[in-house]
Formats: sequence, structure tokens, C-alpha cells
Amino acid sequence: GAVVSQHPSRVICKSGTSVKIECRSLDFQATTMFWYRQFPKKSLMLMATSNEGSKATYEQGVEKDKFLINHASLTLSTLTVTSAHPEDSSFYICSASGTSGEGTQYFGPGTRLLVL
Amino acid sequence: GQQLNQSPQSMFIQEGEDVSMNCTSSSIFNTWLWYKQDPGEGPVLLIALYKAGELTSNGRLTAQFGITRKDSFLNISASIPSDVGIYFCAGRGGTSYGKLTFGQGTILTVHP
Repeated sequence: GAVVSQHPSRVICKSGTSVKIECRSLDFQATTMFWYRQFPKKSLMLMATSNEGSKATYEQGVEKDKFLINHASLTLSTLTVTSAHPEDSSFYICSASGTSGEGTQYFGPGTRLLVL
Repeated sequence: GQQLNQSPQSMFIQEGEDVSMNCTSSSIFNTWLWYKQDPGEGPVLLIALYKAGELTSNGRLTAQFGITRKDSFLNISASIPSDVGIYFCAGRGGTSYGKLTFGQGTILTVHP
């Protein structure tokens, strides 16, 4: 149980284009989903927290207009990197927590984004 | 804000040896979680601790939630090559569905 998927696993795009990453909870309802960014050999950096049906809460320093988050259902959240630039290249990971397990977060496999 | 200090930063051990890593905080946490991350993958939950003093095992892994609620340790017994990876502790305070604070990670290398 508690399986989270992400799609795509890898994406390469040209500078200036937008990229959408999907995060799905496959076997539970995710009341809250989290989006993280991770640099090589570093810890996870929380970007934003999203609750189903409401606007995401962004961490300080994260541009909400650049990183659009939608959590339209209890099993799906999307992160759209708008007008991507090379400095947006990174490993993006989502996590999801449901109503059981005292809010324990289960992580997706991550999406590697490379902006050329 | 809340911070977690995880140590050691890296470990190089021989197969069969036991491993111990820990996290400390200046703040109280209500939940401690231990994750393992393989290269290019997302973190996988190893052990979740919900009560101060709780000691929980998962196979060769054992973790404890410190009685002061400001620390936790993870032990791995009889290490094997597939234990290689980065181990993260994470703490959650406040609301049950709140944000996690992550440690810096411990990079474990196991030599056959």
C-alpha cells in the first residue's frame, strides 16, 4: 500500500517551454501533497504544500507563478514549470499523505528535468 | 525554523558490520521518520515513529524515537551491499499533516 507514482520520470525541454509533472497516489486518497526539489547529494528542499481543492502554500523564495501547482483531486497533483530555464534543471519529487498513518508522507520516484 | 542535524554525513563499512546514524534537533517533533534513497529514485519509507521512547524494528533495521522528542537513531545490523544509499531522517511537528523537516542525509557505502 501507499504507492505514489510520478510522470514523466525524465524530461528534456528547450529553454522557454513549460513542463508538467504529474504525481498520483495509486492506492490511497492523498489529502495533502508536497513538492520537493533536490540537488545532487543534497537533502530535499520543500517547494510547496497543496491540499485537495485549495491553493498551494509555497515556501519562502519559491515563485508561485513559475511553479504552478494544481491538486484537483484526492489522487492527482501536478507541478508545471513555466518558461523553464537551465537553472530549473533538477530532480523534482512529490510526496503524498492521506488520512491514516498520522500524515506520514510517501514519496514518488522523482522526475529528472533537464532544460537546454 | 526547525533544523535537524544528522550524523555522520557518510560512512564506509564492510559487509556484515553494524551501522548507526542519528538525528538531533533543538525543537520537539511529534513524529520521526527514516527514509532511504537510492540514486535517481525517490525516498522510500523505512520506519515511522509516533511516540516518544518508541523502539521499532523492520527486519535488520531498528529505530528509536528519543524520550526528549528531540532525537532519533537508526541502526542497521549485519549490513549487505544493497544497503548502499542515502538515509534521511525527517521530523514532523505541529499538525498531523504538516511539513517534514529533513536531515542532511547519511551516505552509506558498503564494501563486499
